[in-house]
Amino acid sequence: KNEVEQSPQNLTAQEGEFITINCSYSVGISALHWLQQHPGGGIVSLFMLSSGKKKHGRLIATINIQEKHSSLHITASHPRDSAVYICAVRNAGGTSYGKLTFGQGTILTVHP
Amino acid sequence: GAGVSQSPSNKVTEKGKDVELRCDPISGHTALYWYRQSLGQGLEFLIYFQGNSAPDKSGLPSDRFSAERTGGSVSTLTIQRTQQEDSAVYLCASSSSVWSTDTQYFGPGTRLTVL
Repeated sequence: KNEVEQSPQNLTAQEGEFITINCSYSVGISALHWLQQHPGGGIVSLFMLSSGKKKHGRLIATINIQEKHSSLHITASHPRDSAVYICAVRNAGGTSYGKLTFGQGTILTVHP
Repeated sequence: GAGVSQSPSNKVTEKGKDVELRCDPISGHTALYWYRQSLGQGLEFLIYFQGNSAPDKSGLPSDRFSAERTGGSVSTLTIQRTQQEDSAVYLCASSSSVWSTDTQYFGPGTRLTVL
C-alpha cells in the first residue's frame, strides 16, 4: 500500500461544477502539499497545510491530522483548471525531514 | 533569479554515457531537493540538501547517481553509465530552509532521454 493515496485517479467535470479530490496518508507528517501540474508544464505549489483549512481564490484545501486525510476543493470549476493535482506529504522528522512523498496524482479534465 | 532554474531543459544521451544536470535555486534558499518523474509514474524523491549537506540520500536509485552542492547554492545531479530506465524528467525544488513552513518552489525540470 502506498504511503499516500489519492482519489479519484481521474475526474471529469463540466464547467461550473464543484470538485473534490481526496488524499489519505499513513505516515507521520509535518505538512501536506497540494501541487498542480499542467500538461507539459511545471509544477506549482498550491497549498502547504499543517492544520485546518486554507483558501486561495476558488481553491480550498483542508486537512484532518487525526484522520490523516486532506481534501482539495475547486469551486466553480473552469477548463483552465484541467491539470494533474498531486498530494505530497512532508516527513515529520529525523534525517528525512523535508522529504516529500507523493501521491499518484489526480487527472482533472473540465469541459466547457 | 526570480525562480528555480534547471539546465539543460532537454538532454538526449546514449546508454553508458555520464550526464550532469544542474539546478540553480532561488537566491537565499538553503534547502534544495531533487525529484524524478518517470513516464507514467508519479514523482519520487531522490535527495535533498540543507546548505551543502545531504542528510537524506535514501531516494537515490543506485550508486550510479550522485549529487553535490557547493557554496550553498547551485547543485549538480550526476548519473554515471546511464541506462534506459534513467529516462525521466528530473525536477529540482528549493525552499527557504528545510525547517521552515515555506513551500517548495519547483524548477521546470530536465527531460532526460537515454537511447
